[in-house]
Order: sequence, then structure tokens, then C-alpha cells
Amino acid sequence: EVQLVESGGGLVQPGGSLRLSCAASGFTFSSYWMHWVRQVPGKGLVWVSRIDNDGSTTNYADSVKGRFTISRDNAKNTLYLQMNSLRAEDTAVYYCSRTTFVAGWIDYWGQGTLVTVTS
Amino acid sequence: DIQMTQSPSSLSASVGDRVTITCRASQTIDNYLNWYQQTPGKAPKVLIYAASSLQSGVPSRFSGSRSGTDFTLTISSLQPEDFATYFCQQSFGTPWTFGQGTKVEIK
Repeated sequence: EVQLVESGGGLVQPGGSLRLSCAASGFTFSSYWMHWVRQVPGKGLVWVSRIDNDGSTTNYADSVKGRFTISRDNAKNTLYLQMNSLRAEDTAVYYCSRTTFVAGWIDYWGQGTLVTVTS
Repeated sequence: DIQMTQSPSSLSASVGDRVTITCRASQTIDNYLNWYQQTPGKAPKVLIYAASSLQSGVPSRFSGSRSGTDFTLTISSLQPEDFATYFCQQSFGTPWTFGQGTKVEIK
């Protein structure tokens, strides 16, 4: 069974940092593109970042470029999102997700982890 | 960025009704359009990918179609478990963008 389990969310002050993790199981992690998508509770979905299967290609939404870094450890079947210089507008549930190829559809999502940026 | 304009933002319908949700892309995205369903407190779930392909395990009452840059999700006969929020999403260009969502409520 495919599972994506996020962790690392929590309360942080503006300007602070957090690192999200996503533990993957039930599939060959190194064969998939991985993504982070966020959602303010009750609002819409916003794509944040993606990484190719071997970690050599990454892309970011303009709103997080230069502040967030996506990475992966295929030996540990884990996806990461390092979030620096956090702002109140980064408050959201962050979902880890996968696609088979770069322009594909998300076929599995994690349960999400809530990040709250507040003073 | 490619803008995805989804309509309506909400609708009320009864069990058994035919429901149609539309999404318009601001430029051509070929068939790189996916539809997701989300219920409260849960992660989204893909229903339709590549504009008209039904994801495995999704009931056949869901269907998708394309006309140019206009895309449609149709639920042929609404069931109680279909009351949810639906999002379209384009995977043609970076950044990926989503529609604003359509909340389907019980009439």
C-alpha cells in the first residue's frame, strides 16, 4: 500500500525556519517525481515545489523561491522541504504528493502537516 | 502563469442530479488537465487525468471532456458521497496551477 506520511509541521515565528519530511513507503520512491502542495484551511490548493526522481531537477513557485528548498534522500525514501524566512502567508497545510512524470497527475497525497507562522 | 478559471464556485444539487463543473485555461494546455475531489479534513483524490481519463477505482458516473481551453467535469447522477469540493489543475506549465474550487452542497 502506498503511503506518504508528512511530519515536521508546527508553530513558528515570522522569520523562522522549519523542515518538513515526508516518509514514503509501498512503492519505488526513486522512480517518482515528488511535490509539495499547500492549502490554507478552507481555501484552494497551491503548488509549492517539485523534484525529479534523482533530485537533479527542482522547481519552485515564485512565492517561495529563494526561501524554500526541496530535496530527497532515495536511500531513506524521504522527501524534504526546508522552509526559511517564513512569513504569515506561508501558514497552510502542506501535502507531500507524487507523480509518475513531470506533467502528470498526482495519484497519491499524504495526509498533510500544518504549518502556522505567527508571532 | 497559466490561470485556471473554475465555475461555479459553489452549487446546490440533489441526489440523482447531473452536475457539471467547468474550468477554463488562460492559454492552451493541451490535455494536461486533472480533476480532484476533496472532502473536509482529507487530502484531495484524483478523479480524472489528462482531461478525460478516469482514474482507476473512480466510479464511471464521473467523466471529463475538453473543448479547446475549456474543460468540463460531469457527474452523471450525484450520489451522497459526492458532496465535496472539486478542483481542476493544469500540469502543462510551471508553476502548476489549480482552479479556485467548486463546492457541491446538498439541496
